[in-house]
Amino acid sequence: QVNLLQSGAALVKPGASVKLSCKASGYTFTDYYIHWVKQSHGKSLEWIGYINPNSGYTNYNEKFKSKATLTVDKSTNTAYMELSRLTSEDSATYYCTRGYFDYWGQGVMVTVSS
Amino acid sequence: DVVMTQTPPSLSVAIGQSVSISCKSSQSLVYSDGKTYLHWLLQSPGRSPKRLIYQVSNLGSGVPDRFSGTGSQKDFTLKISRVEAEDLGVYYCAQTTHFPLTFGSGTKLEIK
Repeated sequence: QVNLLQSGAALVKPGASVKLSCKASGYTFTDYYIHWVKQSHGKSLEWIGYINPNSGYTNYNEKFKSKATLTVDKSTNTAYMELSRLTSEDSATYYCTRGYFDYWGQGVMVTVSS
Repeated sequence: DVVMTQTPPSLSVAIGQSVSISCKSSQSLVYSDGKTYLHWLLQSPGRSPKRLIYQVSNLGSGVPDRFSGTGSQKDFTLKISRVEAEDLGVYYCAQTTHFPLTFGSGTKLEIK
């Protein structure tokens, strides 16, 4: 069965970076794009960008272009998102999701605090 | 960016009733291939979103047929027939026709 397993919650200091992971299983990793989505507490969903695991091609929401970097490791079927220069505005739950949003990871809460 | 406007923002229904949620987009969601990439998601309390409907009217895997989607161009509706307790949560529409991909603001369904 398809599963997207995300890394655990992170507490990071302002100005630091964090790298989140999303390990895929149960399907051919390179057959589906991986999207990343942000959900601030109690708010709606924001699309950050996607990566094509086969080619490494990425497409970002302009709003997150200087904030997020998406990569993949095909040898471990894992997608990554690095968030840089973190501020309190980056505190949120981040999801990875496949294709046309048919499967979602469990989400990872990132808290930015000194 | 394509703005997705959902109404109502919340609703409270009794078990067994039917409800409809509206989603209107600021641009047509018909892609150059002729398909319309409008999807509906449900986020149950404390859970990740789950896709219910894809491309306007196609039921997701394992989704009960109490859920149905209709619409075209810029105007879409999700209908839930015979609401059950497990249907509570926040419903989102999402479009994957235009970049950046965008979501509606959500409709919170409560059970009376």
